[in-house]
Amino acid sequence: AQRVTQPEKLLSVFKGAPVELKCNYSYSGSPELFWYVQYSRQRLQLLLRHISRESIKGFTADLNKGETSFHLKKPFAQEEDSAMYYCALSGYNFNKFYFGSGTKLNVKP
Amino acid sequence: EAGVVQSPRYKIIEKKQPVAFWCNPISGHNTLYWYRQNLGQGPELLIRYENEEAVDDSQLPKDRFSAERLKGVDSTLKIQPAELGDSAVYLCASSLGDSSYNEQFFGPGTRLTVL
Repeated sequence: AQRVTQPEKLLSVFKGAPVELKCNYSYSGSPELFWYVQYSRQRLQLLLRHISRESIKGFTADLNKGETSFHLKKPFAQEEDSAMYYCALSGYNFNKFYFGSGTKLNVKP
Repeated sequence: EAGVVQSPRYKIIEKKQPVAFWCNPISGHNTLYWYRQNLGQGPELLIRYENEEAVDDSQLPKDRFSAERLKGVDSTLKIQPAELGDSAVYLCASSLGDSSYNEQFFGPGTRLTVL
């Protein structure tokens, strides 16, 4: 079965501190991993995907197949990063999306 | 551009009543998704359409839920009759194609409360 686990419901950090939101997955095929973000009173939107190997708003995420993880990282958190973050799993030729339960990031001034 | 449009934004009904949600995807997006998001959880896919064809409805509770996308554009999701456990946010999303490479664009959701 395909599963996405985000172990932290809430993560609080101070502005300027590093942040890491954890995501672990279970999938027997070749996974495609995504991070979605939902800012307060806004829609759920794509933040980044592993295949693009991009950095968006200072965030990066590396797919580690050995540890089946796709943790989201940012070296210096900003207050505007406060939001709900969802890790999502799909797969090549596999059009289902599985979302994790989300982590609320709170960046304190 | 307005993006994905959903209505109503909020709905409160009593159990056993019917309810319907409407979604207008982004123009040109042939793939449409309906998700349910329970409190404290991530979205859960209910059904996916490619144009007017439902290509994945394996997670749709078919005893009370139904959906349609008659002309391959707008879609309606219906619950009849609603149960207390149906209280959730119902999200619609659309994308250009059916590959997971295609970014999904989400609507604002409809928050359903069943009393």
